[in-house]
Amino acid sequence: DAGVTQSPTHLIKTRGQQVTLRCSPKSGHDTVSWYQQALGQGPQFIFQYYEEEERQRGNFPDRFSGHQFPNYSSELNVNALLLGDSALYLCASRYNPDRGRTEAFFGQGTRLTVV
Amino acid sequence: ELKVEQNPLFLSMQEGKNYTIYCNYSTTSDRLYWYRQDPGKSLESLFVLLSNGAVKQEGRLMASLDTKARLSTLHITAAVHDLSATYFCAVDERSNYQLIWGAGTKLIIKP
Repeated sequence: DAGVTQSPTHLIKTRGQQVTLRCSPKSGHDTVSWYQQALGQGPQFIFQYYEEEERQRGNFPDRFSGHQFPNYSSELNVNALLLGDSALYLCASRYNPDRGRTEAFFGQGTRLTVV
Repeated sequence: ELKVEQNPLFLSMQEGKNYTIYCNYSTTSDRLYWYRQDPGKSLESLFVLLSNGAVKQEGRLMASLDTKARLSTLHITAAVHDLSATYFCAVDERSNYQLIWGAGTKLIIKP
């Protein structure tokens, strides 16, 4: 089992550009969440996808959007990048929480630097 | 709104000593997680605590959960340098689908 995989691992973008980050969940998991972690801080919840729909959203602007595919993989898109978007972006997968609260497994993250 | 507070936020200790990290949360939840994060790395799951009174141990780390007090502890016994990392607790919010995170405890263990 490859666990949760994310790509790319590192990315440098210029202000105003757009970026797409990708995540493949752990085998059997159907729910994917995205988190932003700024340096020295805890993860901040961006949104969660289940059955190809955004089920819950944190306090992030509409510049942050996502998608989940039928194979449960997911993308995070960020438009009009700001310097403050520089962070480690983490993808977490788990079984649908409605089945019982279950452990979330995290990918290795994508380090995004906006210059 | 569910809030999760960890303390201390920073801890520097000598090898061989014992210490405890505390995680308080503000609303009802019966599922709490502890994660470890090394610098520049992702989050590694350490413990899943599912019910009141749950206690789990792995090596020099032991975690417990008291849902009535809304408190979890992560106890480190005879610390070794390899345990240096940042430790996070996270709580499942029942009415929500997201994990609510503490700010993390940066643990430095000096040889």
